[in-house]
Amino acid sequence: NAGVMQNPRHLVRRRGQEARLRCSPMKGHSHVYWYRQLPEEGLKFMVYLQKENIIDESGMPKERFSAEFPKEGPSILRIQQVVRGDSAAYFCASSPGLAGGPGEQYFGPGTRLTVT
Amino acid sequence: KQEVTQIPAALSVPEGENLVLNCSFTDSAIYNLQWFRQDPGKGLTSLLLIQSSQREQTSGRLNASLDKSSGRSTLYIAASQPGDSATYLCAVAPHGSSNTGKLIFGQGTTLQVKP
Repeated sequence: NAGVMQNPRHLVRRRGQEARLRCSPMKGHSHVYWYRQLPEEGLKFMVYLQKENIIDESGMPKERFSAEFPKEGPSILRIQQVVRGDSAAYFCASSPGLAGGPGEQYFGPGTRLTVT
Repeated sequence: KQEVTQIPAALSVPEGENLVLNCSFTDSAIYNLQWFRQDPGKGLTSLLLIQSSQREQTSGRLNASLDKSSGRSTLYIAASQPGDSATYLCAVAPHGSSNTGKLIFGQGTTLQVKP
């Protein structure tokens, strides 16, 4: 059973470009979380999605950031018009669901975004 | 607002020592608590998950305890090895009206085990 997959592992963008980060959850998992780890800071929750639905986006910056989890295909975190402050490691986690309470979250290897 | 604190921020021990990492959280209303390991430049590996109704979990040389009423958890590592060197992260899933399962992380304890 493959784990959570993220690609690309490393992404370099110039200021003003768009960044697209992809996450494929573990087989059988329908819940996806995105977290961001800024340099010298802890991991911060960004957004929680189920298939075709954004459930909680309380951690997402109000502008330039968006996320989706379509019926088919991976979850996508999209950052428009990137700035240097967006440079960070972005982690995706998946879990099997909320029946009886939140399940264990399994993390992917992360995408390290560098904005030049 | 839930906040998670880990002490110490860094720890260096000789190989073979038993050690304890501490985690505290401000709101006892949680679904569960997870301990993770993160190697430099890598993702997170889940070590132990403790549900709010449980007191402890064990896996090999690792034992995690949970005292929800006092807002504390400890991760005990027995007979430490150089391969245990990593950053250890504690995270709680708050129990509240949103119930989304999102994790609130501590800043981590960076452990170095010297041969």
